[in-house]
Amino acid sequence: AQSVTQLDSQVPVFEEAPVELRCNYSSSVSVYLFWYVQYPNQGLQLLLKYLSGSTLVESINGFEAEFNKSQTSFHLRKPSVHISDTAEYFCAVSDQDDYKLSFGAGTTVTVRA
Amino acid sequence: KAGVTQTPRYLIKTRGQQVTLSCSPISGHRSVSWYQQTPGQGLQFLFEYFSETQRNKGNFPGRFSGRQFSNSRSEMNVSTLELGDSALYLCASSPTDSGTGELFFGEGSRLTVL
Repeated sequence: AQSVTQLDSQVPVFEEAPVELRCNYSSSVSVYLFWYVQYPNQGLQLLLKYLSGSTLVESINGFEAEFNKSQTSFHLRKPSVHISDTAEYFCAVSDQDDYKLSFGAGTTVTVRA
Repeated sequence: KAGVTQTPRYLIKTRGQQVTLSCSPISGHRSVSWYQQTPGQGLQFLFEYFSETQRNKGNFPGRFSGRQFSNSRSEMNVSTLELGDSALYLCASSPTDSGTGELFFGEGSRLTVL
């Protein structure tokens, strides 16, 4: 079974500053990788995904994540954050044909003006 | 296209009672999963259904059960409620049956057990 480690539980950051959220997973077999975002009192929204191909994946709102197989990592970055990026971010991993996601504990990002 | 719809959104039960939560997936999605979210344990997988068949199950006691209907709608049931069952229960549907894990989540049903 997969385990997912998000190394930071809380990340405070100033508006327009860069942010990096770290994620490591346990298995080296073929996996699918995801970042989800959860705003208060809402469900999870898919931010971006790695299924195959290019190891650098991007979202429509400026986030990017890079799959590093040798380090079993999938860190999330944004070069310049906005107040609206304040939310909880979850890294998730799925083994192929496992039909379930293993989530990290989440990282709360608080963007201050 | 309508998103994943979960009902009820909020409910309060007492210990020993049972509860049934409902989930309507996005139209055309045949895979439905359920997750429990708590502050202490985070997000934990309950079960996944595809075409009325349970394909995977998490490590929860038998008090937690689910089913999927022919129209892909799903229900989960928790019997003999305990205080620790208080949580946000999230339903998610998937547009494929390939097990990639790309899920679309509803807003959840928040259960409080008193």
